[in-house]
Amino acid sequence: NAGVTQTPKFRVLKTGQSMTLLCAQDMNHEYMYWYRQDPGMGLRLIHYSVGEGTTAKGEVPDGYNVSRLKKQNFLLGLESAAPSQTSVYFCASSYLGYSNQPQHFGDGTRLSIL
Amino acid sequence: AQSVSQHNHHVILSEAASLELGCNYSYGGTVNLFWYVQYPGQHLQLLLKYFSGDPLVKGIKGFEAEFIKSKFSFNLRKPSVQWSDTAEYFCAVNAGRDDKIIFGKGTRLHILP
Repeated sequence: NAGVTQTPKFRVLKTGQSMTLLCAQDMNHEYMYWYRQDPGMGLRLIHYSVGEGTTAKGEVPDGYNVSRLKKQNFLLGLESAAPSQTSVYFCASSYLGYSNQPQHFGDGTRLSIL
Repeated sequence: AQSVSQHNHHVILSEAASLELGCNYSYGGTVNLFWYVQYPGQHLQLLLKYFSGDPLVKGIKGFEAEFIKSKFSFNLRKPSVQWSDTAEYFCAVNAGRDDKIIFGKGTRLHILP
């Protein structure tokens, strides 16, 4: 019972490098979310998707891009990494966004930008 | 825009003490409310949720929360905490038919053995 799987778990980048974080869920959920968690800031929504082929901006979308080519996968891309993007990134999924279904979270990706 | 406020950023208690963590939200319509817990080094897990019906909601591990609509509050309580309750607790709200859940900034709870 995998649930939500994030890869990689850790990564260190240099400023200006690019990378993609992968989120995969095996629960057939429609909604998927990318958050970043920073000390004292809680979870802030970066981008989200309400279904295959759709994406939408969240609270802090700048510097990130996403794609949802397959229902089970939600990719988060950093085109040119900046030190301000050092954070722990969590992916989540839910059956529906506004229903009584809670979000299921992955274990997180700890990303450091030097 | 909807928002969630958690008043206590860091709480330190001794084992067996009673716990109440505050959560207030700003939205005048129908809301779905959640409390999540994040144990050290782990991902967020759902503690309890409120959608409708009895405003006193019971969750896992002896936690409960009370929805008070007139106060826009959803405070988390536990009568007697344990050392294993050391974690960060997040209140979250889904307002109306929005696609998103908004999280509070979290309360870090530290239980002294």
